[in-house]
Amino acid sequence: ILNVEQSPQSLHVQEGDSTNFTCSFPSSNFYALHWYRWETAKSPEALFVMTLNGDEKKKGRISATLNTKEGYSYLYIKGSQPEDSATYLCARNTGNQFYFGTGTSLTVIP
Amino acid sequence: SAVISQKPSRDICQRGTSLTIQCQVDSQVTMMFWYRQQPGQSLTLIATANQGSEATYESGFVIDKFPISRPNLTFSTLTVSNLSPEDSSIYLCSVWVDTGELFFGEGSRLTVL
Repeated sequence: ILNVEQSPQSLHVQEGDSTNFTCSFPSSNFYALHWYRWETAKSPEALFVMTLNGDEKKKGRISATLNTKEGYSYLYIKGSQPEDSATYLCARNTGNQFYFGTGTSLTVIP
Repeated sequence: SAVISQKPSRDICQRGTSLTIQCQVDSQVTMMFWYRQQPGQSLTLIATANQGSEATYESGFVIDKFPISRPNLTFSTLTVSNLSPEDSSIYLCSVWVDTGELFFGEGSRLTVL
């Protein structure tokens, strides 16, 4: 993998469903992996900064895991709510550069 | 953390004109960046805005097209010159703080007719 890739590109789920999406990245020169939540007309909001292989982080109903050896991170949302609708971005930080994926657009249907 | 004010939030411009975007941070920061997100693309770094010296541009971006000013540690401007429809994007100011986090402004959505 040369670039940061996110899948799926978009996702529609029903309120109350749990969901997850993937961020894949080159495992070389790894420093940190960042997840952001970006709502329309707002600033991208930092969710997690993950640095260690095997890291698991949680904030409310949202959690993330990190595998630096194989180069992927998963973001999980438990019991999705309409206010979770946003684009979720991941970014690989090599120490002085951030490389972003194209994001996963999540729509939670009431 | 850092609070970033960016303006304008959106604008519609005619081909051939220029647009200047302002970014104000509520604290002094060393590292300030300008990003662009074209439709369907990832956030792409345009340049690092250096205080007191010329900005450092990424491959594919040049000073004539994207002049940047950084007069102090809390403020920067990005100008997008000689606009064409391909410049229609969201432009974001961001700062990198000591915790290793990157904070963003709300973005400036530019449409070029």
